[in-house]
Amino acid sequence: AQSVTQLDSHVSVSEGTPVLLRCNYSSSYSPSLFWYVQHPNKGLQLLLKYTSAATLVKGINGFEAEFKKSETSFHLTKPSAHMSDAAEYFCVVSDLLNAGNNRKLIWGLGTSLAVNP
Amino acid sequence: NAGVTQTPKFQVLKTGQSMTLQCAQDMNHNSMYWYRQDPGMGLRLIYYSASEGTTDKGEVPDGYNVSRLKKQNFLLGLESAAPSQTSVYFCASSNQGRYSNQPQHFGDGTRLSIL
Repeated sequence: AQSVTQLDSHVSVSEGTPVLLRCNYSSSYSPSLFWYVQHPNKGLQLLLKYTSAATLVKGINGFEAEFKKSETSFHLTKPSAHMSDAAEYFCVVSDLLNAGNNRKLIWGLGTSLAVNP
Repeated sequence: NAGVTQTPKFQVLKTGQSMTLQCAQDMNHNSMYWYRQDPGMGLRLIYYSASEGTTDKGEVPDGYNVSRLKKQNFLLGLESAAPSQTSVYFCASSNQGRYSNQPQHFGDGTRLSIL
């Protein structure tokens, strides 16, 4: 079974400094990985996805993530944090639900990002 | 460009009452999902539907029922609400399949409190 571990429950950065949110996964085969963002009292928005086409994935709002198979990691980065980046971030891996044709998402517990002025 | 629409956005129930949470998507997606989100536990799958007319249990189905009579709608029912069902409920849709790994699109959630 696949699993996802977000290594930090809370990250605090200053505006204009780099962001690093860490995610490790376990998988018996090449996974599909996603990062979602959730702003307060809002739904979940897809930031980016990895599906084996390229190891460095670019997403919305300047975020990137690099898939490193040898380290089983999929860390999320951004060169310069903005106040509007303050939110909850979820690392997600896709797994097969059953022998049929459906998949499920396995969610990390989330990392809360605070951006200080 | 509505995407996934959930109604209601907020609801307060008394223990033992019943209600239905509604979800509609306008992206012609085959699959739809209901999750609950609780502090410290991330998102947990309640039920999913791979196609119109079919539904299957997820991780935490007890106390819930669902129906998918139309492709665009997925309903989540609580027959006899319990305080443990106080949560934020999210509906999602996608065209995921065994060999197709499209992301899920989410609604804004329904915040449900059971007193």
